[in-house]
Amino acid sequence: NAGVTQTPKFRILKIGQSMTLQCTQDMNHNYMYWYRQDPGMGLKLIYYSVGAGITDKGEVPNGYNVSRSTTEDFPLRLELAAPSQTSVYFCASSYSISANYGYTFGSGTRLTVV
Amino acid sequence: AQKVTQAQTEISVVEKEDVTLDCVYETRDTTYYLFWYKQPPSGELVFLIRRNSFDEQNEISGRYSWNFQKSTSSFNFTITASQVVDSAVYFCAPQIEGNKLTFGGGTRVLVKP
Repeated sequence: NAGVTQTPKFRILKIGQSMTLQCTQDMNHNYMYWYRQDPGMGLKLIYYSVGAGITDKGEVPNGYNVSRSTTEDFPLRLELAAPSQTSVYFCASSYSISANYGYTFGSGTRLTVV
Repeated sequence: AQKVTQAQTEISVVEKEDVTLDCVYETRDTTYYLFWYKQPPSGELVFLIRRNSFDEQNEISGRYSWNFQKSTSSFNFTITASQVVDSAVYFCAPQIEGNKLTFGGGTRVLVKP
């Protein structure tokens, strides 16, 4: 049981480049989330999804896009990367918020934009 | 606006001392869940405890205990007899809006031997 898998683990982008952060879960969870964590800060919600075909904005969606074509996958797209998007990105999934442990987190993607 | 406040940015203790982490949040919901997560230096996020808002009985689990007071929207977390391995950043994460968690800014705990 792999849980939540994020790829890549590390990436350096140049300003203006684009990339997709991949997130896959094998637990048949309906809820999936993308958070970013800036150095020394808490996690801020970028986008989330309550099921395949349904996505919604979180607190900091600007500069990002998501899609949810399957239950398993929830990729995060960065268009025109900017230095302000330098952060650690965490994907998470959940069967339900009332589940005993809340979220299952991926191990994170550390992104640097130069 | 800050909806989840962890006022302590860093706490430093000597091993075996107790550590209490404060968390205050804002919500209009009457039924919700609250969580604490730990982030060790390796960077992963580790689930610690879960609490629901409709049961105010405080609990203890091993060296962890928590004090939930719905009337003041506070959810404090205590580590008893701290150990060096407890050194980490601790996040309070209540479910204050829909089916998602809102994280506080975190409290860094440093336990010195």
